[in-house]
Amino acid sequence: AQSVAQPEDQVNVAEGNPLTVKCTYSVSGNPYLFWYVQYPNRGLQFLLKYITGDNLVKGSYGFEAEFNKSQTSFHLKKPSALVSDSALYFCAVRIPGNNRLAFGKGNQVVVIP
Amino acid sequence: NAGVTQTPKFQVLKTGQSMTLQCAQDMNHNSMYWYRQDPGMGLRLIYYSASEGTTDKGEVPNGYNVSRLNKREFSLRLESAAPSQTSVYFCASSEKGPTSGNTIYFGEGSWLTVV
Repeated sequence: AQSVAQPEDQVNVAEGNPLTVKCTYSVSGNPYLFWYVQYPNRGLQFLLKYITGDNLVKGSYGFEAEFNKSQTSFHLKKPSALVSDSALYFCAVRIPGNNRLAFGKGNQVVVIP
Repeated sequence: NAGVTQTPKFQVLKTGQSMTLQCAQDMNHNSMYWYRQDPGMGLRLIYYSASEGTTDKGEVPNGYNVSRLNKREFSLRLESAAPSQTSVYFCASSEKGPTSGNTIYFGEGSWLTVV
């Protein structure tokens, strides 16, 4: 089974509307969860992470994510999307007892002007 | 700070040729990684080095070798390139391994095509 799932291949949203990118995980124990963004022909840039503490995590560029243990989810959100937010977004989870991160397949976000 | 720097940016190889991807970080990080990115498959870990002097296999190590030359540098070698190794390769580093919750920082990528 996949350790982390991003169920939608592409998310289309109008500029100014709220943006949500979904992520669910399936590892046991206390997960460490990460969101990264990738612009065309570039490397991955770190947005935010949840390690412990407050379930609502705030990150770069106005993004935030909410850790929900009962639903095993870590959805990325932004209240008002910008055209410049169009990119590929990756969710990742630490594999307990294994010194690596497992990445989801990525979500292409398209913000329509 | 340059962060994580990898070379070359683009490379075309013929099947059977060998090459080495170079990576260096200037953040004094202990752990370094090599990932490959393929469409629809996310990122998959090839090898990682938790600290200087150690290397371990990741999810997809076959056909690759690595060298942790020193704390700054971590190279990836393809001994006999195959078309299945056509991919985008990313080097990354973190202060400690992901078991500590440390953030992993990525380089800009190396686009490799094997014909």
